[in-house]
Amino acid sequence: KAGVTQTPRYLIKTRGQQVTLSCSPISGHRSVSWYQQTPGQGLQFLFEYFSETQRNKGNFPGRFSGRQFSNSRSEMNVSTLELGDSALYLCASSLDRGSSEAFFGQGTRLTVV
Amino acid sequence: DQQVKQNSPSLSVQEGRISILNCDYTNSMFDYFLWYKKYPAEGPTFLISISSIKDKNEDGRFTVFLNKSAKHLSLHIVPSQPGDSAVYFCAAPSRAGGTSYGKLTFGQGTILTVHP
Repeated sequence: KAGVTQTPRYLIKTRGQQVTLSCSPISGHRSVSWYQQTPGQGLQFLFEYFSETQRNKGNFPGRFSGRQFSNSRSEMNVSTLELGDSALYLCASSLDRGSSEAFFGQGTRLTVV
Repeated sequence: DQQVKQNSPSLSVQEGRISILNCDYTNSMFDYFLWYKKYPAEGPTFLISISSIKDKNEDGRFTVFLNKSAKHLSLHIVPSQPGDSAVYFCAAPSRAGGTSYGKLTFGQGTILTVHP
């Protein structure tokens, strides 16, 4: 069974640009969540999608957005990039049934210069 | 408001000895907890979980203990191995109506170093 796949693994962007990151969940998982990891803030929840609907949102500015497709694949977009957006972006999927664990992808390392 | 706290940024242990990683939480609505292990530049890997109806859960070398009255949980690794060296995070999911939602609140992590 394939794990959570995130693409690309590494990305370098310039301030002011926008970026789109992709996540393919484990087959059968309908919940996809996104997290940002930075050295100072740890793992911070961005948002969660379930059945193409955003179900939960963290405390991030509107520049951060996402969506989920009918096959449960998800994308997140960051517009008008700032230097502080440099981070490891992690996607997690879960069955969303009872006490299901979340399984994480390898992450996308975004560097904003 | 940090609802899940890991107060020890790092822990150093000798190979073969016990590693004890601690986690405290403030939100009494949390009723399920998970531990993840993470290597640099990789995603967290699920290790072990515990429901609030239990006070202990074991899986091989890993045991998690939950003390609900103290709002405290701990992960014990026995015996510790050099390959266990990583960052360990405890986390709790937001839940509503018995369903586990995909929002995990993480502690800040503890860097475990196991010396040969």
